Formats: sequence, structure tokens, C-alpha cells
Amino acid sequence: DAGVIQSPRHEVTEMGQEVTLRCKPISGHDYLFWYRQTMMRGLELLIYFNNNVPIDDSGMPEDRFSAKMPNASFSTLKIQPSEPRDSAVYFCASSLATAGQTGWETQYFGPGTRLLVL
Amino acid sequence: SQELEQSPQSLIVQEGKNLTINCTSSKTLYGLYWYKQKYGEGLIFLMMLQKGGEEKSHEKITAKLDEKKQQSSLHITASQPSHAGIYLCGADISAGGTSYGKLTFGQGTILTVHP
Repeated sequence: DAGVIQSPRHEVTEMGQEVTLRCKPISGHDYLFWYRQTMMRGLELLIYFNNNVPIDDSGMPEDRFSAKMPNASFSTLKIQPSEPRDSAVYFCASSLATAGQTGWETQYFGPGTRLLVL
Repeated sequence: SQELEQSPQSLIVQEGKNLTINCTSSKTLYGLYWYKQKYGEGLIFLMMLQKGGEEKSHEKITAKLDEKKQQSSLHITASQPSHAGIYLCGADISAGGTSYGKLTFGQGTILTVHP
């Protein structure tokens, strides 16, 4: 299995530009998660999907951030317009479906996209 | 303040030494995960604990979840340079553990192992 695939691995852009991050989850996984990692705030969950439907987007910092999952094998995280404070490593993760207290399935992480907004 | 506190924040040990990293919460921990991260890379899954008192081992790494499910420890025996990296704990700390998927992570522990 190829694991979770993210692209690009690195992105440098100027403030105000639109940034699109892409993720391909592990085939057969029902859940997809977007995280952001910074030195100051650590690893934070932004949004997650179940069967392509957004379940919880309470971690999305503001309206400049949006995420979509048009099908089971692809998701995007878009920042428009980007700002220097968005600089971070963005991770995508996926897992099989499991309901709450019946058990937790492991979240498998992609290699991340390192974003720098100048 | 962090909802999941890891200690220590960083650790430097000599190869061959044992070490322990702790993950503490004021809330009950559900679906407690330990991950390892190397610089510039993603998170590698190590172990997952669900039940109070549960203990799991893989090679030289052992993780435990205490009976009250508010603290977990990760113990490495006879550390090696390959163990170096950032160790992160993550858990569902929602009431009753009902927010599957919404994991909260600790700030990480940076481990350095000198040969």
C-alpha cells in the first residue's frame, strides 16, 4: 500500500495568493483528517470527513480556509488568501470507519506539506 | 494551556539507557495513541491503548494507560540512536469518548540519543 499521499511536499508562496493542498487517503479508508502543525500550537485537527462528508470543521481557523472531498480518493485544503501566519506543516491522515466506544481505528498520516507564506 | 501535557519536553540520553515519556490529562483519555515523528516526515503510528490498565509492547517500546485513564507512559528500554525523534501522544478527550476522530495531541517530546 502506498500510504497517504500528499502534494506538494513543499510550497512557498506570497501573501495573498491562493494555496491548494492535496491528499489521497489510503484506499478503503472511510475517514480523512486534515491537521496543522506549528511550533507554537503543536498538532491541531482542522477538519475531518466521513464517507466524503465533512463531520467537524470546528478547527478550521477562519473563512479563508476551506476543505473538500469530492470523492473517496481525493481531498483538498485551500487557503485563500494566504497569510504569513498560515505557514506550517499540513498533514492529512486517514483511517477505517469505527464508531466511538466500540473501538478506535488508527489514523495513518501522510508526509505533510510544508507551507511557507512570505 | 495544553489539554494533553507531555513530559519531559525534551530528553537527551546516552545509547543503552532506559527512558520514560509521560502524557497526562485532566480528562479521561479514550483511544490513546502514541506516534513518532522525524523532522520533515509524517507521524508514524507506534501503539494505541483503549482500556485502563492496558499495556502494549513493540520491540523495545512499551506503552501503558493507567487504571484511571488519565495518564499514559511510553517506556523505551536500551535506547538506540534510531529511537531519536519527536514522540507525540494523541487522544479523544471528549466526554465519554464519543468524538471519534477528533484527537487532541500533546506538544511532543523531543528525544535525542547519543551514540
